[in-house]
Amino acid sequence: QQQVKQSPQSLIVQKGGISIINCAYENTAFDYFPWYQQFPGKGPALLIAIRPDVSEKKEGRFTISFNKSAKQFSLHIMDSQPGDSATYFCAASGGSNYKLTFGKGTLLTVNP
Amino acid sequence: SAVISQKPSRDICQRGTSLTIQCQVDSQVTMMFWYRQQPGQSLTLIATANQGSEATYESGFVIDKFPISRPNLTFSTLTVSNMSPEDSSIYLCSVGTVANTGELFFGEGSRLTVL
Repeated sequence: QQQVKQSPQSLIVQKGGISIINCAYENTAFDYFPWYQQFPGKGPALLIAIRPDVSEKKEGRFTISFNKSAKQFSLHIMDSQPGDSATYFCAASGGSNYKLTFGKGTLLTVNP
Repeated sequence: SAVISQKPSRDICQRGTSLTIQCQVDSQVTMMFWYRQQPGQSLTLIATANQGSEATYESGFVIDKFPISRPNLTFSTLTVSNMSPEDSSIYLCSVGTVANTGELFFGEGSRLTVL
């Protein structure tokens, strides 16, 4: 059973555009929602994370929007750059065990 | 964030052999996990490495196939035993501390190819 559903599977955006990746979860015990960025041949790097007590968190060009009632959260990348081209994973964890459940990933390509 | 070193970074192994992957962290961490990432796929948790005791395995993963050790707060090993081509994956060590309240950091991974 996939507990975190991520879409789209792939995304192509023009330089300067907005990239939007969506995730939905089922487990109401989840209380921590990070996004990871992974370049080829590298490990995933923590990009930004949110907890359910806020509906939005912004760090530079990256924003997480969170809808607790809908059990959905999304990553927005403003002014997308070719250097943002990577695979993005949403994830979720709950309680004190810190175990992350990952979405299937989105391959983002930003064309120059 | 912690600096995580994994060895080997990549290896090519023969069917039926075993390989041990090491994970060294530059600071004491509370949580250590091992994940598997099959080619082009997402990350799947194999087990939680518990200091000084047996690891806690996720459904579908067993100790005989993936024995794990964690002798202290900065080091862990994952062994992939009796390998088959289906074990070809990237194996990732992940760490976190209570102070980071849920933040997990990943090593660069060990890319394993089984022929």
